[in-house]
Amino acid sequence: DAKTTQPTSMDCAEGRAANLPCNHSTISGNEYVYWYRQIHSQGPQYIIHGLKNNETNEMASLIITEDRKSSTLILPHATLRDTAVYYCIVRGDSGGGADGLTFGKGTHLIIQP
Amino acid sequence: DAGVTQSPTHLIKTRGQQVTLRCSPKSGHDTVSWYQQALGQGPQFIFQYYEEEERQRGNFPDRFSGHQFPNYSSELNVNALLLGDSALYLCASSLGMLIYEQYFGPGTRLTVT
Repeated sequence: DAKTTQPTSMDCAEGRAANLPCNHSTISGNEYVYWYRQIHSQGPQYIIHGLKNNETNEMASLIITEDRKSSTLILPHATLRDTAVYYCIVRGDSGGGADGLTFGKGTHLIIQP
Repeated sequence: DAGVTQSPTHLIKTRGQQVTLRCSPKSGHDTVSWYQQALGQGPQFIFQYYEEEERQRGNFPDRFSGHQFPNYSSELNVNALLLGDSALYLCASSLGMLIYEQYFGPGTRLTVT
């Protein structure tokens, strides 16, 4: 699996858009970008994933650059409950059966009131 | 709809002892993965069970073993506990072919003294 690089921490004002960057310059053609987050004292929570097209769901948007070497997770209107560690994970789709995810240290996003 | 449940919530053991942790997957899920999360680190993949067999394993010694039952629930066993085994142990479930989303439980906090 390709490795990812994320900032250690970021601040964002409540109500503003939070933009979390991730570099994955060694990503290969069949590898997806996944984002999970972990709120303090809870297990990680799936947010979104994508291959090469931009994706949006009820939680967030994922913007992947054309060369796929980096991506940005966007929380459009951050709230205090979005304070968490956000993990960017790159992993190939191996088909049948679920494989383990490789988590790095992630970005600690702090939403300021 | 019950999510992933884990028991016990907290556990204190002594070096050299053995421990068993339990996980019930989200309703409808058939695949269970286990992760270890040390303080300040991201979760590390231990192994994954599907159809009652260990399908994939991370870089963990044989002291870590598991089992999956016909109802898809799972156990994680750790023998000869070391101080370094102190961590949050997370269970994640998914539906076999749908590898994009893993649903995590709240974890079991294991302290080895």
